[in-house]
Amino acid sequence: GQNIDQPTEMTATEGAIVQINCTYQTSGFNGLFWYQQHAGEAPTFLSYNVLDGLEEKGRFSSFLSRSKGYSYLLLKELQMKDSASYLCAVRKGGATNKLIFGTGTLLAVQP
Amino acid sequence: DTGVSQNPRHKITKRGQNVTFRCDPISEHNRLYWYRQTLGQGPEFLTYFQNEAQLEKSRLLSDRFSAERPKGSFSTLEIQRTEQGDSAMYLCASSLEVGAEAFFGQGTRLTVV
Repeated sequence: GQNIDQPTEMTATEGAIVQINCTYQTSGFNGLFWYQQHAGEAPTFLSYNVLDGLEEKGRFSSFLSRSKGYSYLLLKELQMKDSASYLCAVRKGGATNKLIFGTGTLLAVQP
Repeated sequence: DTGVSQNPRHKITKRGQNVTFRCDPISEHNRLYWYRQTLGQGPEFLTYFQNEAQLEKSRLLSDRFSAERPKGSFSTLEIQRTEQGDSAMYLCASSLEVGAEAFFGQGTRLTVV
């Protein structure tokens, strides 16, 4: 089976740092993705990890531990426009390389 | 090329009617995916094309659903005899064969009344 867990909602303050965790148990693994999705819009790619460690991309960083089935997305210097749903997704291997998504974490950034 | 394009953006239909959605992927992308997303949930995989070949279909895709990609470029998703449970956002995504990420379209929001 496959299971991807992330918190349903989080609240943070403008200018602060927030960490969104994701744990997964999947049959097959070929990378972990984070997407941002504003209400009514398409998911947009944020980051990708296939090896253990931290990937940094401006205000966003993502970490992966394959042995623990764990990832987090770190958002620094939060801005109001960061209020969105953040989706953790595991890419399955094989011919399809399809993404299996978690339910998403709805982040509310407050002034 | 401005990205993955989906049409229509919104569709309201009566229960029992057939609907068809179109997806135009990024031009050089040969992999195309359809996903379905309901409120408060992440996208769920429906089906996958590599060029014109449909290589995988989810068990979520009942016999009322059919997808095509006749020339390996655009794709269509048809739902026959729609039911209220089909109401959802239908997302299309495309990727390069060796690319890292999939790019999503804006989606088609289907409401079955």
